[in-house]
Amino acid sequence: GAGVSQSPSNKVTEKGKDVELRCDPISGHTALYWYRQSLGQGLEFLIYFQGNSAPDKSGLPSDRFSAERTGGSVSTLTIQRTQQEDSAVYLCASSLTPHSSGRLSGNTIYFGEGSWLTVV
Amino acid sequence: GQQLNQSPQSMFIQEGEDVSMNCTSSSIFNTWLWYKQDPGEGPVLLIALYKAGELTSNGRLTAQFGITRKDSFLNISASIPSDVGIYFCAGLDTPLVFGKGTRLSVIA
Repeated sequence: GAGVSQSPSNKVTEKGKDVELRCDPISGHTALYWYRQSLGQGLEFLIYFQGNSAPDKSGLPSDRFSAERTGGSVSTLTIQRTQQEDSAVYLCASSLTPHSSGRLSGNTIYFGEGSWLTVV
Repeated sequence: GQQLNQSPQSMFIQEGEDVSMNCTSSSIFNTWLWYKQDPGEGPVLLIALYKAGELTSNGRLTAQFGITRKDSFLNISASIPSDVGIYFCAGLDTPLVFGKGTRLSVIA
């Protein structure tokens, strides 16, 4: 697609339920990132996928959070047994190659519009 | 983990005024980035800085990469209503490390 596509754009769920958030990165982008943005906060890194390498899960806040990326393209972030503190915007981003020091031209990271999750 | 301290947290300015915000880190970054996030949108890259001391402009935006590589600032000249949004600094690492943002409100 033309940009990073995320769904759903908004999700209201009851505490204790599981939710799945989907990210469709830009075609051909090998790197995919999930970030979380709580109200009034910056972007908190969650997980990073690069090609067929093992994902960097160092940012996942608890074992209720998991993510997978099928076929090196679409990714799903799953939150099990949701809690109210999980309420946030979940942003997905992709880039042509993984970020590393050096010029960004052709390697810009593009963000989706986010999935707004509210746990009630 | 690494953290970036961004200030001010929020600003209310009159249209036409200049704006300045900055970002500091306890760690060295070799690349600094500035993003803008409009309401209901994802962040969009404004300026990338690659070299300590570098001063880069993009229209009314000017950003500088600090000599110590631990700080950066962003200036917006002659602000207009569409400058409203949240401005994030980010240090280039894998993954990107973001500041908490500066929320800019422009009063016409």
